[in-house]
Amino acid sequence: NAGVMQNPRHLVRRRGQEARLRCSPMKGHSHVYWYRQLPEEGLKFMVYLQKENIIDESGMPKERFSAEFPKEGPSILRIQQVVRGDSAAYFCASSSWTGTEAFFGQGTRLTVV
Amino acid sequence: GDSVTQMEGPVTLSEEAFLTINCTYTATGYPSLFWYVQYPGEGLQLLLKATKADDKGSNKGFEATYRKETTSFHLEKGSVQVSDSAVYFCALSAEANAGNMLTFGGGTRLMVKP
Repeated sequence: NAGVMQNPRHLVRRRGQEARLRCSPMKGHSHVYWYRQLPEEGLKFMVYLQKENIIDESGMPKERFSAEFPKEGPSILRIQQVVRGDSAAYFCASSSWTGTEAFFGQGTRLTVV
Repeated sequence: GDSVTQMEGPVTLSEEAFLTINCTYTATGYPSLFWYVQYPGEGLQLLLKATKADDKGSNKGFEATYRKETTSFHLEKGSVQVSDSAVYFCALSAEANAGNMLTFGGGTRLMVKP
């Protein structure tokens, strides 16, 4: 049973470009969470999704950031018009609907140049 | 809102030394508490957890006890190894969560020297 898969592992974008980060949850998991880790800081919650629904996006910046978890395929975190301050590691986690444990992917490290 | 505070690092120890990393929290109700470990270049791995007061989580020689009276969940290990060098995160999941949204502390880097 594969774990949470994130790709790409590393992503470099120029200022103003779009970044698309993908997350495939563990098999059987229908809940996905995105977190951001700024350099030398802890993880901050961004958004919680279930299939085709955004459950809680209280941690998402109001502009340029969006997330989806379609019926088929991975969850996508999209950052439009990236700025240097978006450089961070973005982690995805998944859990089952009954689970008390969230399993994390290895993260996507976004660098904006 | 909910918050987690953990001691700042880095913590540098010699092999076989005793480890304590302090963690305190603020939350309403009865949160679940977790310790995650992050090795260099990797994602987070759950180390241990406790879901109610006085529970003790343990794994790989690490232990932490859920203390509601002091709102603490300190991580301990009796004898650290070089391979324990990593960043350790304390986290909570609020009782009112519909899912597993986690609030993390800032992380504590542990360096163990041979």
